Amino acid sequence: GENVEQHPSTLSVQEGDSAVIKCTYSDSASNYFPWYKQELGKGPQLIIDIRSNVGEKKDQRIAVTLNKTAKHFSLHITETQPEDSAVYFCAASGGNTPLVFGKGTRLSVIA
Amino acid sequence: NAGVTQTPKFRVLKTGQSMTLLCAQDMNHEYMYWYRQDPGMGLRLIHYSVGEGTTAKGEVPDGYNVSRLKKQNFLLGLESAAPSQTSVYFCASSYTHSNQPQHFGDGTRLSIL
Repeated sequence: GENVEQHPSTLSVQEGDSAVIKCTYSDSASNYFPWYKQELGKGPQLIIDIRSNVGEKKDQRIAVTLNKTAKHFSLHITETQPEDSAVYFCAASGGNTPLVFGKGTRLSVIA
Repeated sequence: NAGVTQTPKFRVLKTGQSMTLLCAQDMNHEYMYWYRQDPGMGLRLIHYSVGEGTTAKGEVPDGYNVSRLKKQNFLLGLESAAPSQTSVYFCASSYTHSNQPQHFGDGTRLSIL
C-alpha cells in the first residue's frame, strides 16, 4: 500500500522568511495530493491540493509542487506570518484507496 | 451549515468500559472516516465507509467497531476500552477517496484510565 514520508518533523523560521515542507510517496498510482493545516485544538483544514496532471499550484502565499517521476511533492509558504504557526500534513491517494497521511510538520514562525 | 460535528468533545473512561463516538455531516458526502491522532504518529485510519450500510477496515482497526446506518452519521464504538486507546479521534467526510478533499471535525479527546 501507499507510504508517505514527510520532512522535517519540526521547522522554525523567522517571520517573513519562507518555509518548505517535503513529502515523498511510494505508490505510482497516487494522483491526488492535499495539504492540511491543523491549529491547536482543531481538526485539520485543507489549505491546498494538487492533482497528478499539474506540476505546480499557487494560492497567494502558498504553493505546492509535484514531481511524479521522483514521487515527491512540496509545500512552500512565502512571507511567513505568526498565524502560519501550526502543524501541517501532506497526504496522497489514488483510485479507490483512502488518503494516507504523513506524520506532520510542526511549523513555528518566530516574530 | 455545520460541516462535520463530533460528539462528545472530551471523555474520560475507565479500562473495560464501553462508549460510542458520534460523527454527523451535513454535506451529503458518501465517504466517511475515523482517524486517531497520537503524538508523532500523524493521522492513522481506523475504519471508513463508502456509503450507507458499508464499512471497511483501515490501518489500525483492532479494538474498534463502526456502523453507518444513516448516510449522515458514522459511529465509532469501543467495546472494552484500553489505555492504549487514549488518543484524539477525528472524523472526516468526502465525496470520494481521491480528487476530493476530506472535511474534518474538531475531534474527541478520549482518556482511558
